[in-house]
Amino acid sequence: DSGVTQTPKHLITATGQRVTLRCSPRSGDLSVYWYQQSLDQGLQFLIQYYNGEERAKGNILERFSAQQFPDLHSELNLSSLELGDSALYFCASSRRGDEQFFGPGTRLTVL
Amino acid sequence: ELKVEQNPLFLSMQEGKNYTIYCNYSTTSDRLYWYRQDPGKSLESLFVLLSNGAVKQEGRLMASLDTKARLSTLHITAAVHDLSATYFCAVDISSFGNEKLTFGTGTRLTIIP
Repeated sequence: DSGVTQTPKHLITATGQRVTLRCSPRSGDLSVYWYQQSLDQGLQFLIQYYNGEERAKGNILERFSAQQFPDLHSELNLSSLELGDSALYFCASSRRGDEQFFGPGTRLTVL
Repeated sequence: ELKVEQNPLFLSMQEGKNYTIYCNYSTTSDRLYWYRQDPGKSLESLFVLLSNGAVKQEGRLMASLDTKARLSTLHITAAVHDLSATYFCAVDISSFGNEKLTFGTGTRLTIIP
């Protein structure tokens, strides 16, 4: 158990819908990262937040957004969902400059 | 753009044998990580390599980093079934406090009794 929690574990929804994925980092970690894992794209970095501020952006679609709240938990919002958005979404956390610890992931299925 | 390549992509080996997984990357970096992933599960941190020549060992696994060659290796000694998993290397080239990992394609390792 890495200490990073994610909810929900599974999410099944329809195309065009909007969902929110939630992540709570390890105690003391200020950085939160979101990654997407799919069969065709592999593991891709989406976005990083540090103490509430966006710090780095990867291949995140405009339909996706994220934020980190004062209590350091983070949410990833996915809207106008398409079939191709079906994937495992991981959250990771770290202390600044340290290794990243991954949560259990949220499996999103878009039908 | 940073590219991280792993080979082989698939590896089937017998118990008791030795083998090496290779991770090449295209841009200078001295921060490389190895992760293990079981099917449908999360990523488990195995090794953190933070300097040229770094070598770390845990049980039957040993990882090394050659930053000049932009190469890391994960060596498996006397493989056992429990090591069956997908192994990823990941490289960090971003600045301190602004980290993002670029992952390799993964190596799916199957240990045959």
